[in-house]
Amino acid sequence: DTGVSQNPRHKITKRGQNVTFRCDPISEHNRLYWYRQTLGQGPEFLTYFQNEAQLEKSRLLSDRFSAERPKGSFSTLEIQRTEQGDSAMYLCASSTAKNRGEKLFFGSGTQLSVL
Amino acid sequence: QKEVEQDPGPLSVPEGAIVSLNCTYSNSAFQYFMWYRQYSRKGPELLMYTYSSGNKEDGRFTAQVDKSSKYISLFIRDSQPSDSATYLCAMKKQGGSEKLVFGKGTKLTVNP
Repeated sequence: DTGVSQNPRHKITKRGQNVTFRCDPISEHNRLYWYRQTLGQGPEFLTYFQNEAQLEKSRLLSDRFSAERPKGSFSTLEIQRTEQGDSAMYLCASSTAKNRGEKLFFGSGTQLSVL
Repeated sequence: QKEVEQDPGPLSVPEGAIVSLNCTYSNSAFQYFMWYRQYSRKGPELLMYTYSSGNKEDGRFTAQVDKSSKYISLFIRDSQPSDSATYLCAMKKQGGSEKLVFGKGTKLTVNP
């Protein structure tokens, strides 16, 4: 069990650029979640996959955001035309079907700074 | 009114103290209650998980849920400097959404 891995750890980009983050969940976990956390706030839910199916999306996930999990293993989160308000820590988490969504294992996150 | 309210602190205590952290919530549909610990520049780590009401103890940690008051607590006994972190409460409804709703987190420092 190597834990949830997220890359890159840090990303600095200019406003208007596109960015993509990758998450590798714990290998036997079929559920994968993306959350966003800003300074001084708790994580906010963005989206959830069970295997390769995206089953739930938050209203926070605007049209500029897209997430994929093509083979039910790793996932990517892409933000198009980044805005300064997108600056945040993007957290990925995974869990098993048995533990459902209550017992999440989080990665260390990707810190995005939009200049 | 936010669904989950948590005092952000900061809270500073001496080593060995008993720490009490709490959250209130407004949505009676919440059935699952969690406490996560987050160290600086790390992701949250699950500490305690409780379904519905009652108490749960794990070592130095005790979680309590009072659904009638919509109030949850985490107690840390014999606090250690290594307990210094941000503590996040989180809640989930039964069925439907998989979303966890987090509080803002309380930053705790345990001084040696």
